[in-house]
Amino acid sequence: GENVEQHPSTLSVQEGDSAVIKCTYSDSASNYFPWYKQELGKGPQLIIDIRSNVGEKKDQRIAVTLNKTAKHFSLHITETQPEDSAVYFCAPSGRGGSNYKLTFGKGTLLTVNP
Amino acid sequence: DGGITQSPKYLFRKEGQNVTLSCEQNLNHDAMYWYRQDPGQGLRLIYYSQIVNDFQKGDIAEGYSVSREKKESFPLTVTSAQKNPTAFYLCASSPPGPQPQHFGDGTRLSIL
Repeated sequence: GENVEQHPSTLSVQEGDSAVIKCTYSDSASNYFPWYKQELGKGPQLIIDIRSNVGEKKDQRIAVTLNKTAKHFSLHITETQPEDSAVYFCAPSGRGGSNYKLTFGKGTLLTVNP
Repeated sequence: DGGITQSPKYLFRKEGQNVTLSCEQNLNHDAMYWYRQDPGQGLRLIYYSQIVNDFQKGDIAEGYSVSREKKESFPLTVTSAQKNPTAFYLCASSPPGPQPQHFGDGTRLSIL
């Protein structure tokens, strides 16, 4: 199965700084790379995703970059705000037979200090 | 509004008791999933279903059972065989293929 590692496990930044979270995966057949944000007591919400034919994707303050050769992808948040504080998960999708499954990293707790 | 509804939000189980967690979606998605989340951990896949009347075991299926009789519903039963059931349970749905999964707000299960 897919092995997923996410670093760092915790990240504390000052408001306005940038934050970067990296996710490495093992399955070279993975072709879909989402990032999820989870607030306390809630389910995860998709914030950005990228597919294997694209190297970078940006949506306002959030961007994702993909390096398929090295098998890692990263979440970049610029101009961080206190409401960005949450747990972030990467979840690369590999194909097991005829089915697609997401394998979640263990998460990164991001704290943005005002 | 389209979405996924999980109920109840909190659930308590006595020793030796089976309990069923509800998950309903009105997104018209074919695929549905159940995950377990323990404190400080990522989500681990329990069961998933790509189509009505069909489902597959995930990575930690032992002690759990599911059914998929309707497209919009995917209930999860935590049986007495699951010796450590205390966790946060999340249900999700998606279109077929490698697509974003939409999550409910979870059910927190505790042992009395």
